[in-house]
Amino acid sequence: DAGVIQSPRHEVTEMGQEVTLRCKPISGHDYLFWYRQTMMRGLELLIYFNNNVPIDDSGMPEDRFSAKMPNASFSTLKIQPSEPRDSAVYFCASSATGNRNQPQHFGDGTRLSIL
Amino acid sequence: GQQLNQSPQSMFIQEGEDVSMNCTSSSIFNTWLWYKQDPGEGPVLLIALYKAGELTSNGRLTAQFGTTRKDSFLNISASIPSDVGIYFCAGQKPGNTPLVFGKGTRLSVIA
Repeated sequence: DAGVIQSPRHEVTEMGQEVTLRCKPISGHDYLFWYRQTMMRGLELLIYFNNNVPIDDSGMPEDRFSAKMPNASFSTLKIQPSEPRDSAVYFCASSATGNRNQPQHFGDGTRLSIL
Repeated sequence: GQQLNQSPQSMFIQEGEDVSMNCTSSSIFNTWLWYKQDPGEGPVLLIALYKAGELTSNGRLTAQFGTTRKDSFLNISASIPSDVGIYFCAGQKPGNTPLVFGKGTRLSVIA
């Protein structure tokens, strides 16, 4: 079975440029999470969706970050304009609804470097 | 944001030794999870725990959900070179909510 698929795997761009990260969750999963991983702060939530609706975006750093989920099989995280401090690994994870908390499955991440 | 206190931060052990790491929190979680992350990859789920006091094994790995619901530990028995990586604990509140992560334990195994 295909896992969570993220693209691109690596992105290097100059500050000020727009960056778009993409995620395809596991088929049938109705929760999608965007996390960011840095050395200083570890893994932290940015935003999450349930049935394509954003539930909690309190982790989004500022207005330069936006996320969408136009359908059940696709989500984007956009940074515009990008800044060097946005450099990090961005992970997408998905999970399904169940009688209890269902484990979140992670993609392999997008390693973003802003010069 | 909230984070869990995970220790130790790093470990260097000989192949064949047992390993223990733990995670504590100031708040209660109703699910504890342990993930492993290899370089250049995303975290991979090892064990999920759903009940206070629960003890669950996955091969050489054993994890326990603390009775206070504020802690968990992971044991790895008879370590092998492929156990090398970063191990993360994560706590979760009810309702498929986002995970709260520890800072990770970096495990190195010396053959």
